Amino acid sequence: QKEVEQNSGPLSVPEGAIASLNCTYSDRVSQSFFWYRQYSGKSPELIMSIYSNGDKEDGRFTAQLNKASQYVSLLIRDSQPSDSATYLCAVNPQTPPYSGAGSYQLTFGKGTKLSVIP
Amino acid sequence: DGGITQSPKYLFRKEGQNVTLSCEQNLNHDAMYWYRQDPGQGLRLIYYSQIVNDFQKGDIAEGYSVSREKKESFPLTVTSAQKNPTAFYLCASRGQGAYEQYFGPGTRLTVT
Repeated sequence: QKEVEQNSGPLSVPEGAIASLNCTYSDRVSQSFFWYRQYSGKSPELIMSIYSNGDKEDGRFTAQLNKASQYVSLLIRDSQPSDSATYLCAVNPQTPPYSGAGSYQLTFGKGTKLSVIP
Repeated sequence: DGGITQSPKYLFRKEGQNVTLSCEQNLNHDAMYWYRQDPGQGLRLIYYSQIVNDFQKGDIAEGYSVSREKKESFPLTVTSAQKNPTAFYLCASRGQGAYEQYFGPGTRLTVT
């Protein structure tokens, strides 16, 4: 059973601080990793994808991947109250480009609820 | 504007009734997915389809049915056989050659 584990939180950080969200996964062949943001009552929104070990930065967001340790993290710099949401980690065992094989399913963690305090 | 639409946003039904949730996309995506989300449970895959006229069961397909007659549309029927149908239902799609899935706004179904 492929599993993706996240601390459910809530994780509370003051406005302007760095929020660090972590995710571990059990399937060693996982190669593609995604972070989604989900506001209360809304659907998930893709904010980051990462495929290679190391860091990937996009604005205030940085995704970090360590395949040897089987974890992926999301850092949010200069956290704002509008960042308050649940963050879902998702993994997929295949890497792009499309190979024509497999189901390309995503396995989701249960999410970490982030609260940014003004 | 390209995107995924789901309707209705809220749906109320009596126990024992079948209900069909709509999902349409104009992104020209090949693959479409249905998930169910319950509080504290995360997203669980119900059905998915990678091409027209073909679909596969996900982890929790019992009590649900789907069809994929058009590339743009992937409706989900929640049948009376589904024991706990009250949930937030999410449709997603994925383009060929990509692994990212994009979600529609969701349908919140309440069965009493």
